[in-house]
Parts: sequence; C-alpha cells; structure tokens
Amino acid sequence: DAGVTQSPTHLIKTRGQQVTLRCSPISGHKSVSWYQQVLGQGPQFIFQYYEKEERGRGNFPDRFSARQFPNYSSELNVNALLLGDSALYLCASSLASWDSSGNTIYFGEGSWLTVV
Amino acid sequence: AQTVTQSQPEMSVQEAETVTLSCTYDTSENNYYLFWYKQPPSRQMILVIRQEAYKQQNATENRFSVNFQKAAKSFSLKISDSQLGDTAMYFCAFKVTNGGSQGNLIFGKGTKLSVKP
Repeated sequence: DAGVTQSPTHLIKTRGQQVTLRCSPISGHKSVSWYQQVLGQGPQFIFQYYEKEERGRGNFPDRFSARQFPNYSSELNVNALLLGDSALYLCASSLASWDSSGNTIYFGEGSWLTVV
Repeated sequence: AQTVTQSQPEMSVQEAETVTLSCTYDTSENNYYLFWYKQPPSRQMILVIRQEAYKQQNATENRFSVNFQKAAKSFSLKISDSQLGDTAMYFCAFKVTNGGSQGNLIFGKGTKLSVKP
C-alpha cells in the first residue's frame, strides 16, 4: 500500500509569491495534518483536517491556509511568502479512530520550500 | 503548556553497542500517546515505537524499547545492537488521546545519533 505522498518534493519561490503544496493520505485515513520543520528543529503543527473540516490550527499567521477534499487529499497554501517560510513541510495522516492505530500519525517525505 | 524536552542534542555509539536517548514531557492531560520518530538524511519521519500512557508495560519493537515513567513524565528510547542504519535524528513526541480526529503531535527538538563502525 502507498504511504503518504506529497508533491512537489522541492521548490524555490521568491518573496511575496504564493505556493500550494499537495498531499494524499494513506488509503483509508481520513485525517490529514500539516507540519512545518525548519532546519535544526522538530516539526511544528500547522493544521489538522478531518472530513473536510478544520479540526485544529497551530500558531501560524493567516497567510497559511489549507483545505481537504472529498477524497481526503489536502492542499496547504502559503501567501505572501517570507524568507522565514523556508522549511520542510510535512504532511501526515491517521485513521481518526479511538484506538492506538487511530492515534498513530504517519508522515510523508515532505516538500522542501526555499524562499529567496 | 505542553512541551517535550530532549536534553541530548547529539550522541554517538559504536556499532553493536546499546544507546539510550532521553526525553521528558510536560502535560496536564492523563490520556495520551508517546512516540519516537526517526528522521534519516532523506528527511522522512519514520515511526520507531509508540506507547499508550495508560499501559504500564514498556513497549518494545525488535531492537528498540522504551522506559516509560509516567509519574516522572519520562520516556527514554533504548536502541540495542546499534546498526549503521540507525544513524539519524530521533524525535520524541506526544499526542493527547482523542481518536485522531483532533489533536496533534508535539515534538522535541531532536537528538542526532551517529553510529560509528
């Protein structure tokens, strides 16, 4: 079975531009989350979506937005890019059930964003 | 505030030896899960082991085991018979139990482990 897939894997943008990152969860997983990982740090939570609704938001500005589609895939959008947005953006999925499997989160390989 | 602290920025171990990575956390919640993730140079975050906070028995996965001390809020990872492929960043994380439809992982800053031949 395919894992969490993300695209693109690498991209370079200019300050002020907008970027869209895409994610497909593991088959059967209904919850998708986004994390930002800057160099030398652990991932920081950005958003969580479940059944197309936002279920959680981290401490990120309104320039960050996301959505989830009926097939449970997701997009992360970042507007008015700043140099500080350069990071690895990780997508993760989970079953969203009450047992241990539902509370286990699996990650994709990430999208490397460089803002110049 | 919920926090995770990994006090060892870097560690090294000889191949075939045992190493223990430390992690402490702070939360007022009673029901949660704890995880160790491995991030090799490829940058994919790979689940190593998980522990349900309500279980007293420490989790084990082949060469990986944890020492979970709930009262002390401590969750260390022991790697036995270290292999060169274990070289990676290791992140400790926890998640409040809520069925996965809500809630997110809170990560520590990581420990860089190098396994030397």
